[in-house]
Amino acid sequence: EAQVTQNPRYLITVTGKKLTVTCSQNMNHEYMSWYRQDPGLGLRQIYYSMNVEVTDKGDVPEGYKVSRKEKRNFPLILESPSPNQTSLYFCASSLLAPANTGELFFGEGSRLTVL
Amino acid sequence: KNQVEQSPQSLIILEGKNCTLQCNYTVSPFSNLRWYKQDTGRGPVSLTIMTFSENTKSNGRYTATLDADTKQSSLHITASQLSDSASYICVVTFLGGAGNNRKLIWGLGTSLAVNP
Repeated sequence: EAQVTQNPRYLITVTGKKLTVTCSQNMNHEYMSWYRQDPGLGLRQIYYSMNVEVTDKGDVPEGYKVSRKEKRNFPLILESPSPNQTSLYFCASSLLAPANTGELFFGEGSRLTVL
Repeated sequence: KNQVEQSPQSLIILEGKNCTLQCNYTVSPFSNLRWYKQDTGRGPVSLTIMTFSENTKSNGRYTATLDADTKQSSLHITASQLSDSASYICVVTFLGGAGNNRKLIWGLGTSLAVNP
């Protein structure tokens, strides 16, 4: 089954404790992206990757890191989480870049709470 | 400023009724407009994409329209079902950005509740 898999789905952590949210897709998509979704603010892009070893900042990259060592994986790293990073996070992938009519396929989401 | 505004913010209808959701945008130059459906606690799923040359496109009980002149799109849901309860998000591609990540401008969504 074609899918984007995120882990963990739910996480409660404390300020400053490094964490990684994994994302894997099995559709051989070149484009991958991370979003956060907050009430009243909608979906905001954190980072994106056009291909292996190619990553770039989205609209809200502060406090996050990503890597793209393999085509299928695109982990999101929070080196020192803070309460303002409490959010619902989505990983998405696309065969084509979204701007070229590429349809984004989203994961199930990871709800992160930072105390 | 490039913006996408959706209305209403929320909507409650009875099962079997029709409804129409609106998306107005100020994005220019514009490439395409896509509607996503997001069930509670799930990731968004694409319903349809409209390019600037298309006026109407259907996907089952969902029909999207686009008026590129007035920069308005609508999503019409016919004979609503309980499973239509979700958030519907409109996203517009802004052609003025750089490279292949030409910017996606997301609306905040319309929350639809279909009651029995």
